[in-house]
Amino acid sequence: DTAVSQTPKYLVTQMGNDKSIKCEQNLGHDTMYWYKQDSKKFLKIMFSYNNKELIINETVPNRFSPKSPDKAHLNLHINSLELGDSAVYFCASSQDPGGNSYNEQFFGPGTRLTVL
Amino acid sequence: QKEVEQDPGPLSVPEGAIVSLNCTYSNSAFQYFMWYRQYSRKGPELLMYTYSSGNKEDGRFTAQVDKSSKYISLFIRDSQPSDSATYLCAMSSLRDDKIIFGKGTRLHILP
Repeated sequence: DTAVSQTPKYLVTQMGNDKSIKCEQNLGHDTMYWYKQDSKKFLKIMFSYNNKELIINETVPNRFSPKSPDKAHLNLHINSLELGDSAVYFCASSQDPGGNSYNEQFFGPGTRLTVL
Repeated sequence: QKEVEQDPGPLSVPEGAIVSLNCTYSNSAFQYFMWYRQYSRKGPELLMYTYSSGNKEDGRFTAQVDKSSKYISLFIRDSQPSDSATYLCAMSSLRDDKIIFGKGTRLHILP
């Protein structure tokens, strides 16, 4: 009954490979996000999509490409993996509240990526 | 200066003590102030949020925002070992979707 799910939970791969992480939410939310949490626990937004449209694109290398086939899914594809890409990647989703209402984000369990 | 500063800890306190966690920030446009709790190997989950200045209480947890000092706090009363986690402060400006997180403070409640 997980609200925001991610696969895989762990991903170990060699430098230079291409990999994808999948995210699905069953909350009916309009907006989805990808965050990166580094070894020092610093959580930083990478992308957000609203109804399949890219809204936020922080200064992330273009080796990272998000893809949203529908508003319940936001996948992250990473080309030419580098050692510095090792981190935990979190997917999140939120309802679009409109007006001044607060926009609570619900996080998935994370995907721990290790690049060797 | 980073937008949000938070002492990473670790902070160890005995069970039953009052815990005080704090963050400072530099962006005066921030209007929403949140505290997320993250257990080891899990995603963050929202604990409390406050809009603009003031206090908010929820059970053993109290969030305070002082916009004049750009300082926010989370107090935990009667702390329990189950409160052991990393606590991340987070902020966003009105109508802005982007949340800026602090680095998180690791808290250990000792039985």
